[in-house]
Amino acid sequence: DGGITQSPKYLFRKEGQNVTLSCEQNLNHDAMYWYRQDPGQGLRLIYYSQIVNDFQKGDIAEGYSVSREKKESFPLTVTSAQKNPTAFYLCASSMFPPAGGYTFGSGTRLTVV
Amino acid sequence: AQSVTQPDIHITVSEGASLELRCNYSYGATPYLFWYVQSPGQGLQLLLKYFSGDTLVQGIKGFEAEFKRSQSSFNLRKPSVHWSDAAEYFCATRVQMIKAAGNKLTFGGGTRVLVKP
Repeated sequence: DGGITQSPKYLFRKEGQNVTLSCEQNLNHDAMYWYRQDPGQGLRLIYYSQIVNDFQKGDIAEGYSVSREKKESFPLTVTSAQKNPTAFYLCASSMFPPAGGYTFGSGTRLTVV
Repeated sequence: AQSVTQPDIHITVSEGASLELRCNYSYGATPYLFWYVQSPGQGLQLLLKYFSGDTLVQGIKGFEAEFKRSQSSFNLRKPSVHWSDAAEYFCATRVQMIKAAGNKLTFGGGTRVLVKP
C-alpha cells in the first residue's frame, strides 16, 4: 500500500547533538513538508520541498536543515542550534500543487535528555 | 494572505450527542477546504475536502461539512458522536488560482474534542 513512513517513532537526543528524522513516501508525490507540533500551538511549518533538489524555508526553519536528493525522501536534521527541539514532528507529502491535500506520516516524537 | 480560524480550542460533548466544529477562512475567492483529524500521538488523517459543486460534503467516519460562502465558513458536523471521535481536528485551506499562495495548505489552530460517557 502507498503511504508515508516516518522513523523512528521515538527519538532521544542529548544536548549538543544533531539528529536526523527520516521521512519516506511511495505515493509518487512531488512535494514534501515538515511540521513541528507543540501542545496548544497547532502545526508550524519548518521546511518544504516542491521538487527534487529544491526546498524552501517555512515559518520556523532556524536550527533545522533538510535535503531532497530523491523524490521519495525528505530527511530533517535537528541541529544543536535548535534551542528547544523537544516536540512532535510530522512529515507530509502531496501532489504539486496540493489540490488533494496532504498525506501525513505518523510522526516522530523527539525528546532532549 | 489567507488564514484559517478555528474559534473553539476545546469542545466537550456527550457520547451520542451531535458535534459541530467551526472553521472560518479569510480569503475572498473560493478556496480548497479540508478537515483533518489527529488522534493522540498520531499523524493527521483527511476526513473530507471541498473544491466546488455541492456545498454539503460527506466524509469518512460519518462526518460531513458545509461550505457557506456568505459566512466564509466550512463547519464540520457529526450527528452522533462516539467515544472514538475524541481527537484534535484541523481545518485547512488552499487558495485556488494564486500561484505562490496555492503551493501550500494553511492550517487552523485546531479544536480538541473531548467525549463524555
